[in-house]
Parts: sequence; structure tokens; C-alpha cells
Amino acid sequence: ETGVTQSPTHLIKTRGQQVTLRCSSQSGHNTVSWYQQALGQGPQFIFQYYREEENGRGNFPPRFSGLQFPNYSSELNVNALELDDSALYLCASSQALAGGQETQYFGPGTRLLVL
Amino acid sequence: KNEVEQSPQNLTAQEGEFITINCSYSVGISALHWLQQHPGGGIVSLFMLSSGKKKHGRLIATINIQEKHSSLHITASHPRDSAVYICAVFTGNQFYFGTGTSLTVIP
Repeated sequence: ETGVTQSPTHLIKTRGQQVTLRCSSQSGHNTVSWYQQALGQGPQFIFQYYREEENGRGNFPPRFSGLQFPNYSSELNVNALELDDSALYLCASSQALAGGQETQYFGPGTRLLVL
Repeated sequence: KNEVEQSPQNLTAQEGEFITINCSYSVGISALHWLQQHPGGGIVSLFMLSSGKKKHGRLIATINIQEKHSSLHITASHPRDSAVYICAVFTGNQFYFGTGTSLTVIP
């Protein structure tokens, strides 16, 4: 148990719809990162939030957006869903200190299927 | 070309064997992570390294910053070590992941 929770555990959407995935960070963590993992592949970095500000972004289009809240919980929003968005979405929280990147604690993931 | 390369892609070992998984990267990093992913998707962070060597139980991770290379070693392997092991690097504002090494340890 990492103390990081995600919801929902899985969901099915259709092309063109919008989806919001949620992540609750481990207590005391101020940084959250989101990843997309397609079946059989390694995770791909989507973005990272530190103290409610985006702190880095991977090669994902703007229809992937995020929020981090004052209590350090986080959302990943995906608009205009495409079939290729079907994947496991993972969030990971950490306590970033000045100049350093700390150990990440991963949630169990949300499995999204787009039909 | 991927920023992070892992080898081997697949590995089968007998219980008790010493295992090494390698990771090479081509970008400047502030940290390197070794992750373990079991079937079903759950990911566990094993190590975070920025230099030197770390040990946790039967697992040892090393990194050579000059050579841009890291290794994960498992001593006295056990069937419960069967999982996918993923190397990931953090550049300061972005993560890059290797494609993973699928390890199967046979009793």
C-alpha cells in the first residue's frame, strides 16, 4: 500500500467523450505525476504538478490537461477521446525538496477503454 | 532512438540465480528510478538513484553517471520476483521510461 489512491478503477468511454480521472496523493506529498501506459508498453510521462503548477510535460496534446488542488489531490482530464487513449493511467506522488526529486509512490491506476 | 534503453527485454532464471538488468540513457538526468510492475498494473518504486549504489534486501541498484548506465541486481532470485522491471530517468522536468524487462523466475 502506497497511500496513493485513484478513481475510478476502470471505465469505458466512447470516442469524442471527455473523461476525468482522480488521484489522491500520499499525505504530505506536494508533487504528482501522471503517466499513460498502453497495453504491453512502458509508461509514458504526461505531466507533473508541483504545488498546483505544471512543472513539466511530456509529448501529449493539449486535450490532456490537469489540475492539482491545495490538498494536493489531482485530476487528469482528457477531452475528445480517441481510440488510442485506451490505456492504464497511473499517478504517482512524491515530496519534492529544493533541488531534488524524491521517490515516487504509484497509485493502482485507472484502466480506460475507449470504444 | 529511445532516450532509455533496457536489456534484456525478457529474462528467465532458475530460483536462486543472480540476475542483472541493465539500463542505458542518453539524456542528462537528475535522478534514475527502478520500478517493479506486477501483472494487473500495480507499480512499486524500488530505488531512486542520483549516484553510487543502493541496497534493499536482495536488490541492489548501481548507477554510473559518467557512463550513463545503471544496473539492477537481484541476488538469490525467487519466483515472487517475477515481474516487469522498468528503468525511468528524470531530467528535471520530464520523465523517460525504458520498455521494461520481463523477468520470470522458475522454481
